Amino acid sequence: QKEVEQDPGPLSVPEGAIVSLNCTYSNSAFQYFMWYRQYSRKGPELLMYTYSSGNKEDGRFTAQVDKSSKYISLFIRDSQPSDSATYLCAMRGSNSGYALNFGKGTSLLVTP
Amino acid sequence: ETGVTQSPTHLIKTRGQQVTLRCSSQSGHNTVSWYQQALGQGPQFIFQYYREEENGRGNFPPRFSGLQFPNYSSELNVNALELDDSALYLCASSPADRAYEQYFGPGTRLTVT
Repeated sequence: QKEVEQDPGPLSVPEGAIVSLNCTYSNSAFQYFMWYRQYSRKGPELLMYTYSSGNKEDGRFTAQVDKSSKYISLFIRDSQPSDSATYLCAMRGSNSGYALNFGKGTSLLVTP
Repeated sequence: ETGVTQSPTHLIKTRGQQVTLRCSSQSGHNTVSWYQQALGQGPQFIFQYYREEENGRGNFPPRFSGLQFPNYSSELNVNALELDDSALYLCASSPADRAYEQYFGPGTRLTVT
């Protein structure tokens, strides 16, 4: 079992929809949770990060962490065609060095 | 503010050859991490450098090695290339006080034939 599981999709939604992207993990030592966006043939772009449990909002993006369920989510409101990309979750512990453990990524397509 | 840059963008090598990839970290960042991303997969951690010392290593063989220079730029060297080494190699830099924030460069796409 991989430490971080993420449904690869693809996920296709109409423009304006609310998108929900999720990851589960098995390592209870993970404390930092990140979401990256990766366009085709580009490097990952850091969207948001959260420490421990709770919610964090930034514009149209909301990140949620539920450590009791080992489950994290990224919500995108009013989705746009420019949001079409692969979304990667990543996480790391406090005492495990600074290596990020990534999911496989979910491919999102927002259609006009 | 200049972001993370990597060179070259693409390269093609033959099995058994050696390759060096280069990375310039973002201004003010002193920690550099390298990742390998195979097609359709998430990035896999190779190693990290802080103050010119290796500061952690993932599950990669010794033929993957690196350097960090006083200006915080970095190199990834891979010896005895194998077909499975074909991937996107990503460099990420972090500020000293927030090492969990890793900002990625555009990557170098390596093809081994």
